Amino acid sequence: AAGVIQSPRHLIKEKRETATLKCYPIPRHDTVYWYQQGPGQDPQFLISFYEKMQSDKGSIPDRFSAQQFSDYHSELNMSSLELGDSALYFCASSPTENTGELFFGEGSRLTVL
Amino acid sequence: EDQVTQSPEALRLQEGESSSLNCSYTVSGLRGLFWYRQDPGKGPEFLFTLYSAGEEKEKERLKATLTKKESFLHITAPKPEDSATYLCAVKDSNYQLIWGAGTKLIIKP
Repeated sequence: AAGVIQSPRHLIKEKRETATLKCYPIPRHDTVYWYQQGPGQDPQFLISFYEKMQSDKGSIPDRFSAQQFSDYHSELNMSSLELGDSALYFCASSPTENTGELFFGEGSRLTVL
Repeated sequence: EDQVTQSPEALRLQEGESSSLNCSYTVSGLRGLFWYRQDPGKGPEFLFTLYSAGEEKEKERLKATLTKKESFLHITAPKPEDSATYLCAVKDSNYQLIWGAGTKLIIKP
């Protein structure tokens, strides 16, 4: 079965650089979520999209932005990277907007040096 | 304030030693409680959804139960491959998904 695909899997950046993460949801899933997870922490919700429109916003820094495209893939853009941005970034998709049954990708590990 | 608390933080069991993980919650208007399993460096994997008190769900060696204040994830005769972090999350009346900090389960052979 198709799963959520994230790229890149690993990314190393310097402080103040920019990074872009991509997410391809499961086909026919109309909702995409972005989460940030630091070591030993629970996932922190950043932002979500339903039918290509932003549906909810969590603790996403102003330096970050995201969008969902016409083919339902989503991108998380991170600028002016800080050391504290180093984390695992997960994308998840779900078949409906208000469910808690999320299907997560393998994650993108960002390291900021 | 809506809150999800999981206990214990970590649990070490011998293979075959049954136990339970707890997820207690205070939330306005529960719209579902969800259990996930997360292996190191991987995304959480959905396990169960519970909607109302008294509801139970089972999958292999895992059984999830729900009361009005908490949920238990019972693990029967666990195997080393059950070692993972188990996360609990609840949906509140605003459809916000609130996560617990997880219980790290280690099963020793």
